[in-house]
Amino acid sequence: GEDVEQSLFLSVREGDSSVINCTYTDSSSTYLYWYKQEPGAGLQLLTYIFSNMDMKQDQRLTVLLNKKDKHLSLRIADTQTGDSAIYFCAEVGGATNKLIFGTGTLLAVQP
Amino acid sequence: EPEVTQTPSHQVTQMGQEVILRCVPISNHLYFYWYRQILGQKVEFLVSFYNNEISEKSEIFDDQFSVERPDGSNFTLKIRSTKLEDSAMYFCASSELRAPTDTQYFGPGTRLTVL
Repeated sequence: GEDVEQSLFLSVREGDSSVINCTYTDSSSTYLYWYKQEPGAGLQLLTYIFSNMDMKQDQRLTVLLNKKDKHLSLRIADTQTGDSAIYFCAEVGGATNKLIFGTGTLLAVQP
Repeated sequence: EPEVTQTPSHQVTQMGQEVILRCVPISNHLYFYWYRQILGQKVEFLVSFYNNEISEKSEIFDDQFSVERPDGSNFTLKIRSTKLEDSAMYFCASSELRAPTDTQYFGPGTRLTVL
């Protein structure tokens, strides 16, 4: 079945770039998403990429997609303490409307 | 900016009791979803709903669960007889169009604690 995996933890210094990685198994994935979850809060949509794209940039966020390796990454430039949160990647295939989420990566930003 | 709202934020119940979790999706959205996140685990899809019908459900969504759109604004998830393992954060989401064409926007969640 479909599976989405992420590393569990990433620690960076304020001002550095963060790169959060995700791998997925469903080759029929059409959209891939990044959601942010702050403590005690819901899931905030950050950005998404369509499967026929390689890259998408949105201000400090850059999403890279390697469809051959089924690898997705989220780069956050100039990481701030307010970026500390859990980041989930998620995918949805063409025949369904359910999101399949990864395990989430806890990003800790050190001042 | 329009947002999905959920009530209550935290619900504590005794095992075997019925609970109803409430959601108000974004007003022009047509597709509605429930997901849950057991503490320390992945966010899991439960059910999607469109045009007053369930369009897709997961294995988790058994006969103990039901969903309803009782009026033009609310979307509810009912658990008939709660079990300890139903303790989780329950997220409602909505989208204007059918995924994957459109993105799903999530509410803040309801934390359900079953004692």
